[in-house]
Amino acid sequence: GESVGLHLPTLSVQEGDNSIINCAYSNSASDYFIWYKQESGKGPQFIIDIRSNMDKRQGQRVTVLLNKTVKHLSLQIAATQPGDSAVYFCAEISGGYNKLIFGAGTRLAVHP
Amino acid sequence: EPEVTQTPSHQVTQMGQEVILRCVPISNHLYFYWYRQILGQKVEFLVSFYNNEISEKSEIFDDQFSVERPDGSNFTLKIRSTKLEDSAMYFCASSEIANSPLHFGNGTRLTVT
Repeated sequence: GESVGLHLPTLSVQEGDNSIINCAYSNSASDYFIWYKQESGKGPQFIIDIRSNMDKRQGQRVTVLLNKTVKHLSLQIAATQPGDSAVYFCAEISGGYNKLIFGAGTRLAVHP
Repeated sequence: EPEVTQTPSHQVTQMGQEVILRCVPISNHLYFYWYRQILGQKVEFLVSFYNNEISEKSEIFDDQFSVERPDGSNFTLKIRSTKLEDSAMYFCASSEIANSPLHFGNGTRLTVT
């Protein structure tokens, strides 16, 4: 069945360090993946996406890597800042109706 | 930047009462969704809506739930007879086309007492 999960529930990093948040997915038919950031009291905020025909995509300070062989997704945040503190969710879409399935989430805590 | 707006931000209701949660999706988007998030848990899919009909729904979305797009701008979620376990954050989302990012509102916190 479908499932999207995260390896680490909480990640603590020092300000300025790079962060890596990992995600495993089990539905090999998934063809589109999104990372969301959720701050307290707010809705999920789009960070970056990647399609299954790619293995890497870069944004501003963020990079998403997709390894379809082992069904693994990661989000790298460069020079992590206090404002990056939030819960990060990976999510996958398979099929034609854009049904997005969220993983369990990883809390990123950035310390000065 | 266009955004999804939801009202109210917080709704308190008694068990057995009907509630309607309201959303205004981004204007040129064609796909609409409701998700819910119980405190401290992950975001769960409820329903997707396209071309004026439900395209997919989860097991959570039983006969107590319904959605409607009453006009060209609003998208509503109705819970007919609320239960204590319906207490959660409810998020509306919209997307422009299939396989594109969903844009979420900031949610309605529903508290059933």
